[in-house]
Amino acid sequence: DIQMTQSPSSVSASVGDRVTITCRASQGINIWLAWYQQKPGKAPKLLIYAASSLQSGVPSRFSGSGSGTDFTLTISSLQPEDFATYYCQQANSFPFTFGQGTKLEI
Amino acid sequence: EVQLVESGGGLVQPGGSLRLSCAASGFTFSGYWMHWVRQAPGKGLVWVSRINSDGSYTDYADSVKGRFTISRDNAKNTLYLQMNSLRAEDTAVYYCARDKDYYDSYNFFDPWGQGTLVTVSS
Repeated sequence: DIQMTQSPSSVSASVGDRVTITCRASQGINIWLAWYQQKPGKAPKLLIYAASSLQSGVPSRFSGSGSGTDFTLTISSLQPEDFATYYCQQANSFPFTFGQGTKLEI
Repeated sequence: EVQLVESGGGLVQPGGSLRLSCAASGFTFSGYWMHWVRQAPGKGLVWVSRINSDGSYTDYADSVKGRFTISRDNAKNTLYLQMNSLRAEDTAVYYCARDKDYYDSYNFFDPWGQGTLVTVSS
């Protein structure tokens, strides 16, 4: 199975900050990576797919980059509604594995 | 509006069985691969199973293989997960999720249902 490792596990930031979360795959996954946002008690929401494609309806302050084994999710200017937990997920090969999550706190 | 609504969760004893349902609306259900993903309390997301659009192909995580069965009824726009021989470690919120793209399967999940909690305990 492909292991997905996110860093950091948690990060504290303020409204207006720029934040970057990284995700590393244990083997190359080309661009088959997604990022999800999950708020407490809610289902995950797809933000980015294919490493850098913005899902419809997601604000443009979210962006993704990377290919192969190293990926990043960047939030350019944090808004109050962005405080949540973020997960990466590899879609390259079965079984489809997630990172352990990064909790973004105020 | 695209919507997925899970049901069927609850408290079950170890070794017991439960069937989860996921009712789909607002899109052509028969044209999409579907997935189940679970999340143990306070933990991360774990992919469980997937099924192709006509129900002829399925995959399972090793942790549930031989115990869980995914199926679908396209006439009823409903996805199912039959869970047998349940263990304490199966305790989780179970989400159904649609593959993002029509017909093809790129294994990006959107949207997700609200989830249903399964608790395995004596």
